[in-house]
Amino acid sequence: EDQVTQSPEALRLQEGESSSLNCSYTVSGLRGLFWYRQDPGKGPEFLFTLYSAGEEKEKERLKATLTKKESFLHITAPKPEDSATYLCAVQAVTTSGTYKYIFGTGTRLKVLA
Amino acid sequence: EAQVTQNPRYLITVTGKKLTVTCSQNMNHEYMSWYRQDPGLGLRQIYYSMNVEVTDKGDVPEGYKVSRKEKRNFPLILESPSPNQTSLYFCASSLATSGAYNEQFFGPGTRLTVL
Repeated sequence: EDQVTQSPEALRLQEGESSSLNCSYTVSGLRGLFWYRQDPGKGPEFLFTLYSAGEEKEKERLKATLTKKESFLHITAPKPEDSATYLCAVQAVTTSGTYKYIFGTGTRLKVLA
Repeated sequence: EAQVTQNPRYLITVTGKKLTVTCSQNMNHEYMSWYRQDPGLGLRQIYYSMNVEVTDKGDVPEGYKVSRKEKRNFPLILESPSPNQTSLYFCASSLATSGAYNEQFFGPGTRLTVL
């Protein structure tokens, strides 16, 4: 069964304290792994797409990496404005040849000033 | 402005009263999708549309219908809403169905309460 698991569920960091969020997945026919940021009451905002093991992408204080079984979102020297829920998702091919998305339940990040 | 729009943003209704939540995108995207988001369960795909000709069920399609008569619109229909459909609903779209440009862009959400 296709599945995406994120850990930890919640994370509290001091401003400047770097850390990593984990996304492990089991999926047949991976067509991409995505990271999103979601602020309370709003729709998810796209951050990164990774397509193959070994790929890395960076944006400001965020860096996403991908292996064959998991992805990490590294946050370097976070600021309070980085506080949000971070969602991981995969796109997988179905038995009927269509493409579906599976999301993890997210990591709630709180960065304290 | 490139965007996904949903209407209404908030809706309180009663059990059994048919309703439609509209979704429209102005980016000429091929793939459109509906999700519900519930505490502890995350985002779950209800239905998706690869293009105007292909629509498929997601993980939680029971009690919902969709139609894709034109590329830009993808309404979600609840024929007989029940309280367990109380949730936050998101519409999303992506330029491509797979491969490059398959990242989804989300609407602002519709908060539905069924009494």
